[in-house]
Amino acid sequence: NAGVTQTPKFQVLKTGQSMTLQCAQDMNHEYMSWYRQDPGMGLRLIHYSVGAGITDQGEVPNGYNVSRSTTEDFPLRLLSAAPSQTSVYFCASSYSNPDYGYTFGSGTRLTVV
Amino acid sequence: KNEVEQSPQNLTAQEGEFITINCSYSVGISALHWLQQHPGGGIVSLFMLSSGKKKHGRLIATINIQEKHSSLHITASHPRDSAVYICAVTSGNTPLVFGKGTRLSVIA
Repeated sequence: NAGVTQTPKFQVLKTGQSMTLQCAQDMNHEYMSWYRQDPGMGLRLIHYSVGAGITDQGEVPNGYNVSRSTTEDFPLRLLSAAPSQTSVYFCASSYSNPDYGYTFGSGTRLTVV
Repeated sequence: KNEVEQSPQNLTAQEGEFITINCSYSVGISALHWLQQHPGGGIVSLFMLSSGKKKHGRLIATINIQEKHSSLHITASHPRDSAVYICAVTSGNTPLVFGKGTRLSVIA
């Protein structure tokens, strides 16, 4: 089925560990983004990309890296996990103009202990 | 940066009631999105508006560009409408800016 696929759905990490959250879409969307959702904070933008080879920082980029080598994939890397990165992470994609509708992945619930 | 405010934060309604959720923003936009998130679930796009009004089933979304305000209405509410409703805005090529959401509970 066409859409945005996020893996894993759940993950527990120890402080200091690194990991990559995967995001893939098969709709040929140029615009992809990562958000974190915390209680009482709403969704906050971590990083986004307007096309392959182009990425930019959002509101809360510290501690995260991204790359966009293909149109389909936009992985999010946690370099050295911290308890403050415990959150639910969502990937979303859209056509190149963000004025078009967004498609969200099902989310990754990450706990850092 | 655009500031997006939603009201109310929490809303409890009886089944069948007409529901209104409000969203206001501080800076002119090119599009406003209404999203739905069920408990423990993913996020689904309900509407994207740049002017006027849209309707889908029992859901109606309106926007007043001059007043920088949008409303989401649910007619004949049902317990399956219980979810968090999120407003988000964008201006041209800027990423989405989200409100904090309105938690709706519809009681049978």
